[in-house]
Amino acid sequence: AQSVAQPEDQVNVAEGNPLTVKCTYSVSGNPYLFWYVQYPNRGLQFLLKYITGDNLVKGSYGFEAEFNKSQTSFHLKKPSALVSDSALYFCAVTPGDDKIIFGKGTRLHILP
Amino acid sequence: EAQVTQNPRYLITVTGKKLTVTCSQNMNHEYMSWYRQDPGLGLRQIYYSMNVEVTDKGDVPEGYKVSRKEKRNFPLILESPSPNQTSLYFCASGTGSPYNSPLHFGNGTRLTVT
Repeated sequence: AQSVAQPEDQVNVAEGNPLTVKCTYSVSGNPYLFWYVQYPNRGLQFLLKYITGDNLVKGSYGFEAEFNKSQTSFHLKKPSALVSDSALYFCAVTPGDDKIIFGKGTRLHILP
Repeated sequence: EAQVTQNPRYLITVTGKKLTVTCSQNMNHEYMSWYRQDPGLGLRQIYYSMNVEVTDKGDVPEGYKVSRKEKRNFPLILESPSPNQTSLYFCASGTGSPYNSPLHFGNGTRLTVT
């Protein structure tokens, strides 16, 4: 079955430190990969996407993600975390049809 | 302002009483979809629509109906709501298939069925 896994329910990082939010996927073919962020009482917002090409993708708010085909991973990263980065982050994959599969989400807490 | 608008934001109802959650987008998007968000389960797709009069089931369509009579509107209908449909619902739209087009989400509708 096609799926997306976010192995950590919550990640705590001190402000100013680098952060990583993990995502792995199990999809046949060449999927497209996305990261979305959800702030309290809001819908999801698009952060970045990987289609083809460079394995390091840059997105909004200083975030980037690294695609690793051999490990089927698409980890979200930021060199220096801000308190305002605290939110719920979702990894998503589109297998090649018109559907999209979301992970269960990872809550990121940036500690001042 | 480009946006996806859902109404209502909060809804409390009783089992069996038909309800409709509206969704409208002003970006002339072809693709629209509905999701429910539950703790520990993330977002699960209910229905989606690639264009007017074209709708398809997502992963959890049971108990829900949708229609796409106009490009901008995609209402979610619960003919006979049950307590297991208590959830946070999101509507989203995109320029084309989510295969390569980012989705734009509404702010959500929190539904409680007693």
